[in-house]
Amino acid sequence: AQSVSQHNHHVILSEAASLELGCNYSYGGTVNLFWYVQYPGQHLQLLLKYFSGDPLVKGIKGFEAEFIKSKFSFNLRKPSVQWSDTAEYFCALDTDKLIFGTGTRLQVFP
Amino acid sequence: DAGVTQSPTHLIKTRGQHVTLRCSPISGHKSVSWYQQVLGQGPQFIFQYYEKEERGRGNFPDRFSARQFPNYSSELNVNALLLGDSALYLCASSLEPGYGYTFGSGTRLTVV
Repeated sequence: AQSVSQHNHHVILSEAASLELGCNYSYGGTVNLFWYVQYPGQHLQLLLKYFSGDPLVKGIKGFEAEFIKSKFSFNLRKPSVQWSDTAEYFCALDTDKLIFGTGTRLQVFP
Repeated sequence: DAGVTQSPTHLIKTRGQHVTLRCSPISGHKSVSWYQQVLGQGPQFIFQYYEKEERGRGNFPDRFSARQFPNYSSELNVNALLLGDSALYLCASSLEPGYGYTFGSGTRLTVV
């Protein structure tokens, strides 16, 4: 079955801390993976995407993600978070439709 | 450069009523997908249309239906509304399925 799992439901960090959000997927076909962010009261915005090629993908606002095929993972990272990164983060798998994880709520305190 | 536009932004309906939600994709995009996002959960796939044909349907009851028009805009219809249909309904457009998706701001539906 096709699925996406995000095991961190709620993460609380102080500014300047490093961030890593986990994402694991289950799918037997060609893997296209995305990370979306939803700031409070706003719509989903694309952070980054992996279609093929370099497994280390860089996105907007200093975020990056690494695709590890052997671990079926696509973890999101940022070396130093800011208060403005407070948002909900969703990992998604594209199988001609997007399958989303349940999301991780990130709170960053000054 | 207009993004994905959805209307209305907010809607309150009574149980048993019918609702129609509208979506205009980015110019040049021929695929529209609909998602339901219940509070605290990730979006769930409802429908995908490409070139006016249904390309996929999620695990939703027949009360949910949709269509895509010749100008590639789309409507999502929900009949016999239930309290559990209260959610944020998102529309996403793409050049074609699997090509990357841009989301609209959504329609917040409240069923009372």
